Amino acid sequence: NAGVTQTPKFQVLKTGQSMTLQCAQDMNHEYMSWYRQDPGMGLRLIHYSVGAGITDQGEVPNGYNVSRSTTEDFPLRLLSAAPSQTSVYFCASRRGASGNTIYFGEGSWLTVV
Amino acid sequence: AQSVTQPDIHITVSEGASLELRCNYSYGATPYLFWYVQSPGQGLQLLLKYFSGDTLVQGIKGFEAEFKRSQSSFNLRKPSVHWSDAAEYFCAVGGGSSNTGKLIFGQGTTLQVKP
Repeated sequence: NAGVTQTPKFQVLKTGQSMTLQCAQDMNHEYMSWYRQDPGMGLRLIHYSVGAGITDQGEVPNGYNVSRSTTEDFPLRLLSAAPSQTSVYFCASRRGASGNTIYFGEGSWLTVV
Repeated sequence: AQSVTQPDIHITVSEGASLELRCNYSYGATPYLFWYVQSPGQGLQLLLKYFSGDTLVQGIKGFEAEFKRSQSSFNLRKPSVHWSDAAEYFCAVGGGSSNTGKLIFGQGTTLQVKP
């Protein structure tokens, strides 16, 4: 079972460059989300989606765009990378109701220089 | 405001000793509560969750947690720690009446296990 797959695992960007973090899940989960993890701050929600064609902002959305054209994929775009976006990014998915388990990908380590 | 507080940033215990990691939450609706564990360089793995019923929940790897509504707490416990339990632990709250499933995470507690 692939579960939640994130690519790339590691990336170094220059300030101002753009890139897309890919996330795919093969569990037919309706709910997908992106978190960033920074030391001492736990995980913070960037954007989330409750189904194809529906996205919404989380706690820290600035500087990031998302789209959900299919159930399986939920890419996160950095339009103009900034050093403050250096972080570890986690994609997650969940089936249906809020009490169900959220499954996380293995993370993408992004450094912006 | 919704929040989760893990008061202990770093805890060190001896192998075989008991463990309790603290978690306090603030959430307007009926909370769903979770504990996740993260090993270095890895993603998050669910240890256990609570959203109704018995307030003492059992999880994987011998962990348990107790929901105390009066104290707004959901502390994680293990009677005997193993060296492989060294990791970072996150408490999270979410769910309830909302179907968005957004999780609010605590800052995390790093567990070190002494031989």
